[in-house]
Order: sequence, then structure tokens, then C-alpha cells
Amino acid sequence: GDSVTQMEGPVTLSEEAFLTINCTYTATGYPSLFWYVQYPGEGLQLLLKATKADDKGSNKGFEATYRKETTSFHLEKGSVQVSDSAVYFCALTEDSGAGSYQLTFGKGTKLSVIP
Amino acid sequence: EAGVAQSPRYKIIEKRQSVAFWCNPISGHATLYWYQQILGQGPKLLIQFQNNGVVDDSQLPKDRFSAERLKGVDSTLKIQPAKLEDSAVYLCASSLQGTATNSPLHFGNGTRLTVT
Repeated sequence: GDSVTQMEGPVTLSEEAFLTINCTYTATGYPSLFWYVQYPGEGLQLLLKATKADDKGSNKGFEATYRKETTSFHLEKGSVQVSDSAVYFCALTEDSGAGSYQLTFGKGTKLSVIP
Repeated sequence: EAGVAQSPRYKIIEKRQSVAFWCNPISGHATLYWYQQILGQGPKLLIQFQNNGVVDDSQLPKDRFSAERLKGVDSTLKIQPAKLEDSAVYLCASSLQGTATNSPLHFGNGTRLTVT
């Protein structure tokens, strides 16, 4: 079945450092890929998405490119801020064949940014 | 717009007891999901509703878990009897349509269940 593997956390960075969180996936077809973020005390929210190979999703300075050849969707940001401290989840979805497009999530990577 | 509302926020019960969680999705959202998030893992889908019909409940442990969405709006998730391994955060999400690609999921803050 489908699966998502993210780099283990926690990740601690200084403010203005470069961020990369690795994500690779296994899927039977052509999934859509997502990054979700969970800020402390809040619910999960969509950060960005990409629906086909070579698409680049971007939002709030974060970017991720759908790489079919390496089955990857790594999250990057050039200069992190303290407010980016959160848990980041990589996820995919594809049609299960029964009309269900369930999201399959990775385990999450906790990011802490220190001033 | 108001977000997805869930209650209670926290619940502590003993094993073999029963518990129920409630979810009120965003107004107009036809699709409703229940996810289970065990500590240190990503959320796992338990059940998906489209209006008041079940689309996918393949990962719902039906011997102890049940869910309903009467009138296609609010939903309740019940566990009876609870086991220690049910300790987790139960997340409700809703979307306009059933495809996460075209219709982003909006998540509630979840209910944290502890089974002792």
C-alpha cells in the first residue's frame, strides 16, 4: 500500500537558517503530494501541495518539488523564523478505487527555531 | 468562517469503558473524516463520510469503534469498550468534496483520549 517516510526529528535550527525536511513516498499510481503543518495548540492545516511530476508547491516562503524519478517531495525554506516552529507532516493521496481519496501521512517532523 | 469544532478537548477513561467524540464540520462541507493520531505517528484515517453515507471505513476496528453522521452534518465517533492502545488524538476533518487534491481538508483541534 501507499506509504510516506519523513526524516526523523526533532530538528532545531537558529533563526534565518536554511531548512530541509526530507520526504519520500511509495504509491501504486500517480499521487498528489502535500505538506501539512501543525502549530502548537492548533489543528493541522495545509501548507502546500503538488499534483503532478515537476510541480512546485509554495506558500509562506516554503517550497517543495514533486520529483517522480526519486519519489520525493522535500520541504525547503531559505530562512526560517521562530514562528515556523511546528510539526510538519508530508502526505499523499490517490484514488483508492472506491471513491475514497484518503490522505496517507508520514510520522511528522518537529521543528524548533531558536532566536 | 468558523472552523471544525470538536469536543471534548480531553478525555480520560479506564479500559473497557465507553467514550464518544463529537464533531461539527464547516458549514456546507459534504465530506467528513475521522483520523486517529497515536503519539509519534502521523494521522491514520478511520472513516470517511460523504454527506451521511460511508465512503471508506476499511481501517475502522468495527468490533469496538462506530461512527455516524446523521443528517449529513454533525458526526459522533464511539469506542466501546476502550483498550489501552486506543490512547490517541482523534481528529475530525471536513472538506467541500471528497478529493483532497482539489478540496483541502480542514482539521479540528482534536480530542486527546487517554485510556488507563
